[in-house]
Amino acid sequence: SSELTQDPAVSVALGQTVRITCQGDSLRSYYASWYQQKPGQAPVLVIYGKNNRPSGIPDRFSGSSSGNTASLTITGAQAEDEADYYCNSRDSSGIWVFGGGTKLTVL
Amino acid sequence: QVQLVQSGAEVKKPGASVKVSCKVSGYTLTELSMHWVRQAPGKGLEWMGGFDPEDGETIYAQKFQGRVTMTEDTSTDTAYMELSSLRSEDTAVYYCATVSDGGNSVYFDYWGQGTLVTVSS
Repeated sequence: SSELTQDPAVSVALGQTVRITCQGDSLRSYYASWYQQKPGQAPVLVIYGKNNRPSGIPDRFSGSSSGNTASLTITGAQAEDEADYYCNSRDSSGIWVFGGGTKLTVL
Repeated sequence: QVQLVQSGAEVKKPGASVKVSCKVSGYTLTELSMHWVRQAPGKGLEWMGGFDPEDGETIYAQKFQGRVTMTEDTSTDTAYMELSSLRSEDTAVYYCATVSDGGNSVYFDYWGQGTLVTVSS
């Protein structure tokens, strides 16, 4: 079955740049999408496709992909970016999968 | 703008069933591909299943096959997720979410607010 692997936790100093990665075979065929989730709230889409941001998502969020690895980069991390981040993709059989999530701490 | 409003929290006993609803506004349900995702307390997101427009059928995660049924009432633009034979491990927040499918760019763009289902004797 398809799996997406994320680091459980990452930290970044306020104003610095952080990259969150996601690895999985399905990423060779499909772009990852990325979701931000704060405690007690529903996930919010922050990046989709090659590098697209929904309306209202700050441009400090960006995405990239190479081979079986997708990355979410936050350039100039803010305190409000502290959250859990999940990658997601589907495979060729129509099965969707989420990564295990990365807890981002802004120091 | 799509809005998804889910039904309220539920408490169920082990072995029972639960049916969660997701009311769509801003679009009609026939224009959308609806999926369901759950999140156990302190855990990550878990895809349960949803409508696959490529073959026009609902596809379920293997883990839930035989226990979950996802249906839609297009007359009221409401989607439903029913989970049977509940056990304590099914205690979770259940989300409905719409999928946008652009070939190799697929993503969940709109989410409901979540419905907490608690399974306890």
